[in-house]
Amino acid sequence: AQKVTQAQTEISVVEKEDVTLDCVYETRDTTYYLFWYKQPPSGELVFLIRRNSFDEQNEISGRYSWNFQKSTSSFNFTITASQVVDSAVYFCALSVNSGGYQKVTFGTGTKLQVIP
Amino acid sequence: DTGVSQNPRHKITKRGQNVTFRCDPISEHNRLYWYRQTLGQGPEFLTYFQNEAQLEKSRLLSDRFSAERPKGSFSTLEIQRTEQGDSAMYLCASSLGQGGTGELFFGEGSRLTVL
Repeated sequence: AQKVTQAQTEISVVEKEDVTLDCVYETRDTTYYLFWYKQPPSGELVFLIRRNSFDEQNEISGRYSWNFQKSTSSFNFTITASQVVDSAVYFCALSVNSGGYQKVTFGTGTKLQVIP
Repeated sequence: DTGVSQNPRHKITKRGQNVTFRCDPISEHNRLYWYRQTLGQGPEFLTYFQNEAQLEKSRLLSDRFSAERPKGSFSTLEIQRTEQGDSAMYLCASSLGQGGTGELFFGEGSRLTVL
């Protein structure tokens, strides 16, 4: 069975601060994808980033960066110089192939509040 | 707008009534998923279609729930004899199968309130 744990329920930061959202996952599959999604108050889940299990190279994309470490089963997400528009709930998700389709398991989300 | 479209966005109903939600996926996506999200939780998988075939159903999908995707395009999710515990956000997602990269593209969801 797959499991995704986001231990941080809520985080508040002041605008322009950096913030890191933690994600720990569990799976016995050797091939999987990891995702981060953003859910603003409007409700739509917006895809942010994807990593496959064979690619541990960390990346920076604008103000976003992520740190994937298989050794600790972690996939952390950092927002640099946070902005008020970053306020949302962020979900980490794990996707494995299950009978021909991608079975996606979500964490419980981290609510980020960026204070102006 | 070529994203995933869901309607209605909000539905308030009395216990015992039937409700139906519709999802229009991204046109070239052959895979369609329904998820349910309750307050403070992440989305939970309900069911999956590849084209018109319903290939997977979660144990969360009781016999009061039925989903269809008759022509492999739009999908409907019907809840019969609604209960207060059905109150949640129902999310639809689509993805590209072969050749895709696995990410799901979500609609804005249909929020159900059962009184």
